[in-house]
Amino acid sequence: AQRVTQPEKLLSVFKGAPVELKCNYSYSGSPELFWYVQYSRQRLQLLLRHISRESIKGFTADLNKGETSFHLKKPFAQEEDSAMYYCALRGSAGNNRKLIWGLGTSLAVNP
Amino acid sequence: DVKVTQSSRYLVKRTGEKVFLECVQDMDHENMFWYRQDPGLGLRLIYFSYDVKMKEKGDIPEGYSVSREKKERFSLILESASTNQTSMYLCASSLVDGNQPQHFGDGTRLSIL
Repeated sequence: AQRVTQPEKLLSVFKGAPVELKCNYSYSGSPELFWYVQYSRQRLQLLLRHISRESIKGFTADLNKGETSFHLKKPFAQEEDSAMYYCALRGSAGNNRKLIWGLGTSLAVNP
Repeated sequence: DVKVTQSSRYLVKRTGEKVFLECVQDMDHENMFWYRQDPGLGLRLIYFSYDVKMKEKGDIPEGYSVSREKKERFSLILESASTNQTSMYLCASSLVDGNQPQHFGDGTRLSIL
């Protein structure tokens, strides 16, 4: 079954510390992976997607097919990074338009 | 810039009422989605639509229906509202290409009393 697991509901770090939000997935084919972010009182928005291999706001994520993971990393956390982060997967099989979502990780960056 | 507009930011209704949540997007997207967002449960897909008058059930369609008469508008209907439908409802749209992201509205916080 297709599944996205974010093992941490809440992650708390200090400003300037490295941060890693974990995402593991279960999918038999070649998935497309996304990270979405929701800042307080703002709409949910795309942060980055694996196919772009880009760095957004200092965040990067690498798709590891061997470990079936897509962890989100940032070397130095900032207070403005505090938000809810969701990992999502879209399968490549057929005409699959839906995303499979993780339950989200709430990141708190403390001063 | 893609704009997804949900008709109400906050809505309070009574048990048994028929409730309409409206969503409009301005980028000619084929796909539109309705989710509910609850603490600890993440985003759960209620219904989605991939074309006018076309719809598919998501993970939790019970108690809901949808309507897509025009490409830009996707309505979520609570046939007879119940207290367990109190939630944040999010609308999203996307192009048919799966690599393209979903774009979200601000959400409607619905309270059923």
